[in-house]
Amino acid sequence: GQSLEQPSEVTAVEGAIVQINCTYQTSGFYGLSWYQQHDGGAPTFLSYNALDGLEETGRFSSFLSRSDSYGYLLLQELQMKDSASYFCAVDLTSGSARQLTFGSGTQLTVLP
Amino acid sequence: DGGITQSPKYLFRKEGQNVTLSCEQNLNHDAMYWYRQDPGQGLRLIYYSQIVNDFQKGDIAEGYSVSREKKESFPLTVTSAQKNPTAFYLCASSGRGVGANVLTFGAGSRLTVL
Repeated sequence: GQSLEQPSEVTAVEGAIVQINCTYQTSGFYGLSWYQQHDGGAPTFLSYNALDGLEETGRFSSFLSRSDSYGYLLLQELQMKDSASYFCAVDLTSGSARQLTFGSGTQLTVLP
Repeated sequence: DGGITQSPKYLFRKEGQNVTLSCEQNLNHDAMYWYRQDPGQGLRLIYYSQIVNDFQKGDIAEGYSVSREKKESFPLTVTSAQKNPTAFYLCASSGRGVGANVLTFGAGSRLTVL
């Protein structure tokens, strides 16, 4: 089976940089995704790493190292609105449907 | 605006009752999904469908059923056989080509069994 490990909680202050790690155990996957979810809301897509290395999208960056079974989400210039849960997910797609296995999520709290 | 509509947003049911959650999308996506989320947990896949009239079990399909009679619709029935149905249910869809690796989620349906 697949399992993903994330820290359950992270706290940082406005303007800071925070890194949310994701380690996984899986026999093979197509990529690693990151989603953001505000309390009681719909998860929204942040980034996808199909290849090893860094992907940058504005204030958010995501990194993947398959050899280390490790990835992370980097959030820069933190804002209060970044307080949310962040989930990593491995993409085990077979066919045209995406088969994602999600981690348990990291609750980020941004303090003023 | 294109998106996914789930209804109802909140639902209460008594033990032993079946309940059906609605999911409609106007994104012209082929694939649709149902996930379950428990407090402090990640999302777990219940069922998914790649195309009309076809669907596959996910990791926790027991006690649930689905249908896919139209491309736009993927309703989920939570049956009385589901032992612990109280949860937040999320419907999602994905397309093909550019952005095919992205799931678009609905706002969710929160089911409480009394």
